[in-house]
Amino acid sequence: DVKVTQSSRYLVKRTGEKVFLECVQDMDHENMFWYRQDPGLGLRLIYFSYDVKMKEKGDIPEGYSVSREKKERFSLILESASTNQTSMYLCASSQTSASGELFFGEGSRLTVL
Amino acid sequence: AQSVTQPDIHITVSEGASLELRCNYSYGATPYLFWYVQSPGQGLQLLLKYFSGDTLVQGIKGFEAEFKRSQSSFNLRKPSVHWSDAAEYFCAVGDNFNKFYFGSGTKLNVKP
Repeated sequence: DVKVTQSSRYLVKRTGEKVFLECVQDMDHENMFWYRQDPGLGLRLIYFSYDVKMKEKGDIPEGYSVSREKKERFSLILESASTNQTSMYLCASSQTSASGELFFGEGSRLTVL
Repeated sequence: AQSVTQPDIHITVSEGASLELRCNYSYGATPYLFWYVQSPGQGLQLLLKYFSGDTLVQGIKGFEAEFKRSQSSFNLRKPSVHWSDAAEYFCAVGDNFNKFYFGSGTKLNVKP
């Protein structure tokens, strides 16, 4: 069964801390994505990557960075966490094809105090 | 710019009643359209997708959706709702560059 695994389901961090959210997929997908989900706002794209070491900004990249050193792993980094980054973070992957769907992890709920 | 609108934030239906969730999109080319479902505390699961061919697509869990190009719509339907269908539903459009745009979601509540 295909799988996208997010390393932490729940995290609590303090303002100013550096936060790493890890995501691993076992489907050999080229594309990986980080979304942020907030009530009433749906899913907003933070960053995506279409190949190892390649990344592109999404709609809300400010305050975030990403790393993709291996094809199966895509990390989201909050350099200095702030309270307005309290949210649900969803990782997803897809094949490079026009109709390729997204496969999602179960999400990481981050609370910044 | 691409966008997806789900005009209903919350919908409540009785168990056994029919369901229709609305989705309108804005996209310049032929869209690739998706419906996802999210149960509480979980990630999103694909219900169905449209990328070509028959405009009525069947999905999992008894759901179907109809693509209407003239109305820029891709509404999700189910003839008889079950209590386990209570969840949040997201419509999405995919472009030719493997980017996806999501609506804000519709929360479905099912009354016994």
